[in-house]
Amino acid sequence: DAKTTQPTSMDCAEGRAANLPCNHSTISGNEYVYWYRQIHSQGPQYIIHGLKNNETNEMASLIITEDRKSSTLILPHATLRDTAVYYCIANNDYKLSFGAGTTVTVRA
Amino acid sequence: DTGVSQNPRHKITKRGQNVTFRCDPISEHNRLYWYRQTLGQGPEFLTYFQNEAQLEKSRLLSDRFSAERPKGSFSTLEIQRTEQGDSAMYLCASLNRALSGANVLTFGAGSRLTVL
Repeated sequence: DAKTTQPTSMDCAEGRAANLPCNHSTISGNEYVYWYRQIHSQGPQYIIHGLKNNETNEMASLIITEDRKSSTLILPHATLRDTAVYYCIANNDYKLSFGAGTTVTVRA
Repeated sequence: DTGVSQNPRHKITKRGQNVTFRCDPISEHNRLYWYRQTLGQGPEFLTYFQNEAQLEKSRLLSDRFSAERPKGSFSTLEIQRTEQGDSAMYLCASLNRALSGANVLTFGAGSRLTVL
């Protein structure tokens, strides 16, 4: 897996967009960018993944820079239930390697 | 299909005892993974199966740990002679890469082990 760098923590206001950055400057051409999150005392939950193009699903949007060296996960309207640890992974292996992630706290 | 199921959810044991965790993956998923997670850290890969074959074991998986997936369906993770350092959340995940074409893992809720 390519090394990823994420902020340790961030706060956001309920109802506002949450923009979570991830740096993966050593990513190779065939490595996907994955985002998972883990709510307290639960297993990690898949959010979204992408290779080159921006992606959107019912949970979030993923914006990948043209050089693929960084990406941003966007939660369009954060709710209190989005409080979790968010993991960014750059990978094309049969297993995923999780770092420490970003602890996101959504405040009312 | 109710997702990945893990049992027991919580286990408290005394040092030196053996414990076994069970994972029931999503039925059509041919890959099954075990991860370990300690407080404040991300999950760490332990081992994975393709059907019934165990294809890789992490260095974290000492000889006190053994995992099986006898019929390519459910899996067990056994820890013998538990030590306090084994206290952690043990997570199971499954995947059908042929369907997704990517590493979209579905995780269970985990089994939390406390060794006294």
